[in-house]
Amino acid sequence: GAVVSQHPSRVICKSGTSVKIECRSLDFQATTMFWYRQFPKQSLMLMATSNEGSKATYEQGVEKDKFLINHASLTLSTLTVTSAHPEDSSFYICSARDFENTGELFFGEGSRLTVL
Amino acid sequence: AQKITQTQPGMFVQEKEAVTLDCTYDTSDPSYGLFWYKQPSSGEMIFLIYQGSYDQQNATEGRYSLNFQKARKSANLVISASQLGDSAMYFCAMRDITGANNLFFGTGTRLTVIP
Repeated sequence: GAVVSQHPSRVICKSGTSVKIECRSLDFQATTMFWYRQFPKQSLMLMATSNEGSKATYEQGVEKDKFLINHASLTLSTLTVTSAHPEDSSFYICSARDFENTGELFFGEGSRLTVL
Repeated sequence: AQKITQTQPGMFVQEKEAVTLDCTYDTSDPSYGLFWYKQPSSGEMIFLIYQGSYDQQNATEGRYSLNFQKARKSANLVISASQLGDSAMYFCAMRDITGANNLFFGTGTRLTVIP
């Protein structure tokens, strides 16, 4: 079946640095990818919808200058957490929809960010 | 190998009836967590219920309950008294707590509640 891969799965960085997380659809083209953040009480918040070749659509309350999303190709979307702070520490997960085939939504395995 | 399997791509249920959404998982870790999320058409992911592998009792949250059968590696979601607003995609997920701490999702089940 279709696979979505995220990298890195874990990253630790110092406060003030930027961190890039990649989301790749491995065997299908994804014109749309989604980025979520999981909070400690298990809820998964949709941060933004990443559209290939155009600007991402951010959900209300999500700072677009803080969380930069680039969907440069049909198989890759990146989330860059800029000037990371400890409160940005979280679990970030992406998903991609296989529109060409079944239309199913596939999730990456997530990336755990720890900001020191 | 697939970590989470949801074999029902689509389910229909009559309003006010109960429905069970199937989920089986595969892990060799002794400690893990199981989640169910609801995704309406808006795209947001709504957390419904959580079951820890060492929890003695099945988790319940309002109309949602998790039928956890550890030996069979299944974690079915039961929704009682279905409402029209329950129509959505439902995703089962598992986290290997002692492993890489990744979160694995199933492919989801689309539930349609019929009035």
